[in-house]
Amino acid sequence: DAMVIQNPRYQVTQFGKPVTLSCSQTLNHNVMYWYQQKSSQAPKLLFHYYDKDFNNEADTPDNFQSRRPNTSFCFLDIRSPGLGDAAMYLCATSRVVAGGLRTDTQYFGPGTRLTVL
Amino acid sequence: AQKITQTQPGMFVQEKEAVTLDCTYDTSDPSYGLFWYKQPSSGEMIFLIYQGSYDQQNATEGRYSLNFQKARKSANLVISASQLGDSAMYFCAMQLTFGSGTQLTVLP
Repeated sequence: DAMVIQNPRYQVTQFGKPVTLSCSQTLNHNVMYWYQQKSSQAPKLLFHYYDKDFNNEADTPDNFQSRRPNTSFCFLDIRSPGLGDAAMYLCATSRVVAGGLRTDTQYFGPGTRLTVL
Repeated sequence: AQKITQTQPGMFVQEKEAVTLDCTYDTSDPSYGLFWYKQPSSGEMIFLIYQGSYDQQNATEGRYSLNFQKARKSANLVISASQLGDSAMYFCAMQLTFGSGTQLTVLP
């Protein structure tokens, strides 16, 4: 009955070696999010998609890219991972309510823990 | 801009007792929603409870309730009858902005 699925759960990569994290959802929500969470910190929003509209946070490094080929799938690409990119990456989904003015409850996947060697 | 403040980095509570986790917020939006999430050590973020700014009553969901004081801009989470499984990090959030979290430890 998993609703938001992230693969892999654990990812190890080498410094500078591109890596892709994936997220899929069965909720048919129109919004999908990627968060980065470092140890003992709050999740930090990297970007989100409202349908196919991509919204990048101002302070998200260019090293991070995202793709959403369809409603169900969203990918996070890290082009050249650095040691500082080691973190938990959380994918979430939600609906938009109130005429598009506000997002509803976010449903999170289990996360992918990225290690950079 | 929205801001969420959680001033308790860590809290301890005895099993079966109630505990309140504090959250204050700041926003210029006339309509907004406040969320609480639980994050166990496994890492998954679990939705607990939601309060809408125009809701007439404080939200409740099983052992979780929200003490919502709009004039004070606070939305404190109350967990009644704490259980060992409640030990986790708790985040207060508004839309896409999260507080820094409170690490709750339930003692046997």
